[in-house]
Amino acid sequence: GENVEQHPSTLSVQEGDSAVIKCTYSDSASNYFPWYKQELGKRPQLIIDIRSNVGEKKDQRIAVTLNKTAKHFSLHITETQPEDSAVYFCAAADGLTFGKGTHLIIQP
Amino acid sequence: DAGVIQSPRHEVTEMGQEVTLRCKPISGHDYLFWYRQTMMRGLELLIYFNNNVPIDDSGMPEDRFSAKMPNASFSTLKIQPSEPRDSAVYFCASSGGTGKRGYTFGSGTRLTVV
Repeated sequence: GENVEQHPSTLSVQEGDSAVIKCTYSDSASNYFPWYKQELGKRPQLIIDIRSNVGEKKDQRIAVTLNKTAKHFSLHITETQPEDSAVYFCAAADGLTFGKGTHLIIQP
Repeated sequence: DAGVIQSPRHEVTEMGQEVTLRCKPISGHDYLFWYRQTMMRGLELLIYFNNNVPIDDSGMPEDRFSAKMPNASFSTLKIQPSEPRDSAVYFCASSGGTGKRGYTFGSGTRLTVV
């Protein structure tokens, strides 16, 4: 089955700086890659996704890049704000298999 | 739209008891997923359905776990008998279209087996 590795497990950045979270996957047939944000005690919520025919996608302060050759994709958050503090999950295998999550901490 | 509805929100049960978790997907969504979340193992896919038919149950940990989807608006996940290691948050999610879209998760059921 698909194996999704996510790094780092914890990321602390100063408010206003950028944050980057990276994921790698093993199944070259994967062609849909969503990212979810989960605040403490709440449900995961989809924040952005990308399909394999696209290399990059942006939505305001967040962007996702995909390198199918290297089988990795990344989440980029610019101008971080306190409300960005949460656990972020990537997923591959058409969205079925999740990474272990990254706890993003925004330092004021 | 009320979103994906799960019940109960919290469940505390004694080891050996039967536990039934319930889920109502978003109307019109044809994919339904059950996930389990723990600190150690993260979000694990247990089983998913397409048009009420189980497609992949390879994530179901053992025979004590079973899931059904008798119609498009209802699914259950049953654990019998329950064990302390089953303690986790169980999420149901649904998706429309081809399934290759982001899921909408329910609020989850926090299960504690003592």
